[in-house]
Amino acid sequence: EDQVTQSPEALRLQEGESSSLNCSYTVSGLRGLFWYRQDPGKGPEFLFTLYSAGEEKEKERLKATLTKKESFLHITAPKPEDSATYLCALRMNTGFQKLVFGTGTRLLVSP
Amino acid sequence: GAVVSQHPSWVICKSGTSVKIECRSLDFQATTMFWYRQFPKQSLMLMATSNEGSKATYEQGVEKDKFLINHASLTLSTLTVTSAHPEDSSFYICSAARDRNSYEQYFGPGTRLTVT
Repeated sequence: EDQVTQSPEALRLQEGESSSLNCSYTVSGLRGLFWYRQDPGKGPEFLFTLYSAGEEKEKERLKATLTKKESFLHITAPKPEDSATYLCALRMNTGFQKLVFGTGTRLLVSP
Repeated sequence: GAVVSQHPSWVICKSGTSVKIECRSLDFQATTMFWYRQFPKQSLMLMATSNEGSKATYEQGVEKDKFLINHASLTLSTLTVTSAHPEDSSFYICSAARDRNSYEQYFGPGTRLTVT
């Protein structure tokens, strides 16, 4: 069965304290892994798409990496405005465009 | 580019009534639109996929007679919750993709539905 698991469920950081969020998966056919940021009461905001193991993408303080079994979202020197829920989602090989979302990691960055 | 809007942003309705939520792609044509539901502190769960001009495909466990989806044009999809009950209270989010092979989905801001 296709599964997406994110950890930790919640994470508290001090401003400037770098860390990583994990998204592990077991799927029969992966056609892309997506990272989104979601603020309370808002829709998800697209961050990155990764397609193959070894791929890395960066945007400001965020860097996403992908292996055959998991993806990491690295946050370097976070700021309070980085506080949000970070979701990973997988596009499967079947059910065109269908995304399966993980449960998310709620990140809180304190000043 | 790639902006998706939803209307209304929040709605309160009485149990037994129906409510319609609109999802529009503002600056692109969306062949495919998706409807998700999100309960508090939970992730997004896909309810259905709609393609312009054809019937929606519903996920297992989603009642198609209760959640009516219409994708009448390339920029508009609607979700109607019929005979709403308190357990239907949730955050409904739509997304849109440019075409069947497009990898990226653009999400709307969501609609908070409260059924009293």
